[in-house]
Amino acid sequence: DGGITQSPKYLFRKEGQNVTLSCEQNLNHDAMYWYRQDPGQGLRLIYYSQIVNDFQKGDIAEGYSVSREKKESFPLTVTSAQKNPTAFYLCASSTGPLRGNNSPLHFGNGTRLTVT
Amino acid sequence: GQQVMQIPQYQHVQEGEDFTTYCNSSTTLSNIQWYKQRPGGHPVFLIQLVKSGEVKKQKRLTFQFGEAKKNSSLHITATQTTDVGTYFCAGPRMNYGGSQGNLIFGKGTKLSVKP
Repeated sequence: DGGITQSPKYLFRKEGQNVTLSCEQNLNHDAMYWYRQDPGQGLRLIYYSQIVNDFQKGDIAEGYSVSREKKESFPLTVTSAQKNPTAFYLCASSTGPLRGNNSPLHFGNGTRLTVT
Repeated sequence: GQQVMQIPQYQHVQEGEDFTTYCNSSTTLSNIQWYKQRPGGHPVFLIQLVKSGEVKKQKRLTFQFGEAKKNSSLHITATQTTDVGTYFCAGPRMNYGGSQGNLIFGKGTKLSVKP
């Protein structure tokens, strides 16, 4: 079954610690994304990558870092510099543009991070 | 900056009633996508609209894209408890190099259905 796997589902950390969220896809998609979702809010883009070894900042990249060493993997590190890290984190992927338009995003099940 | 706004933020309906959520963009969109997120779940792609004035149907769901390509709506006829969730619209960002997948999302409309 093709899909996106995020692990773990729930993650608890103490303030001041860095934490890495895993995202793996076997859909052979070129593009991958990290979104953050807070209650009552839409999805805000943290980082995205359109190709291996390349990634770009989204709207709220401060306090986060990513890597894209393999097509299948796009891990997100939440650093201690992120002022309000407690949130629901969603990883997504997409294939190439569909006749010039955006291709749909396929989301993982998400990781709920709680920092105390 | 570019904004995508959705109204209402919440909607409570009795099972069998109709439901509509509206999406308005501050800029003209080349396309618009709709997603559904069940409680505790992740967003799932529903549909993409591309043409001005386009109307698409999926069973009890009707999606419209405005003539000016700045607004869209999702209408559900005779809601069921399985329709519960948050519905998001999303359009391509204008200030990113390449629009592939770089979507700006509305804040969503949360639908609850009373049996």
